[in-house]
Amino acid sequence: QKEVEQDPGPLSVPEGAIVSLNCTYSNSAFQYFMWYRQYSRKGPELLMYTYSSGNKEDGRFTAQVDKSSKYISLFIRDSQPSDSATYLCAMIFGGFKTIFGAGTRLFVKA
Amino acid sequence: DVKVTQSSRYLVKRTGEKVFLECVQDMDHENMFWYRQDPGLGLRLIYFSYDVKMKEKGDIPEGYSVSREKKERFSLILESASTNQTSMYLCATTFDRGNQPQHFGDGTRLSIL
Repeated sequence: QKEVEQDPGPLSVPEGAIVSLNCTYSNSAFQYFMWYRQYSRKGPELLMYTYSSGNKEDGRFTAQVDKSSKYISLFIRDSQPSDSATYLCAMIFGGFKTIFGAGTRLFVKA
Repeated sequence: DVKVTQSSRYLVKRTGEKVFLECVQDMDHENMFWYRQDPGLGLRLIYFSYDVKMKEKGDIPEGYSVSREKKERFSLILESASTNQTSMYLCATTFDRGNQPQHFGDGTRLSIL
């Protein structure tokens, strides 16, 4: 079993839809959680960084962490074609060891 | 903003060649990392460094080595390139304080023919 599971997609939605991206993890030692966005032929770009269970909002993006269920989510409101990218979840434990999900490809159709 | 610069965006080399990938960061970060990214496999850690001249093996170090002579520069070396090293290579950095998110360069897409 992988430490971090992420559905690879692709996920295709119409412009304006609410998008839900999810990751599950198995190691309760993970304490810090991130979401990255990666456009084609570019490096991952940090979108959200959170520690505690609950929600963190930044513009159209909301990161949700449920440590009891070992489940994290990224919600994108009013999705735009420019949101089309691969989204990676990531988790830190032991200082700076980071485990990444394999990424979910998202397509937002105009 | 953190700027992590990888010297080449695309590189084509032949099997058996010695290949150098360079990464430079401008934020005085202590920790630097090299990953490879392959479809369906995600990011896999090759090597990392937490200080000048220091290095630690990651999960897949075989066939690679690294060099960190200056704090801002971290080099990945393919000693004798093979076709199974064709991949996207990503460099990342963090501050020395623990539990910090990594900041990435734009990657080098390396093809070994």
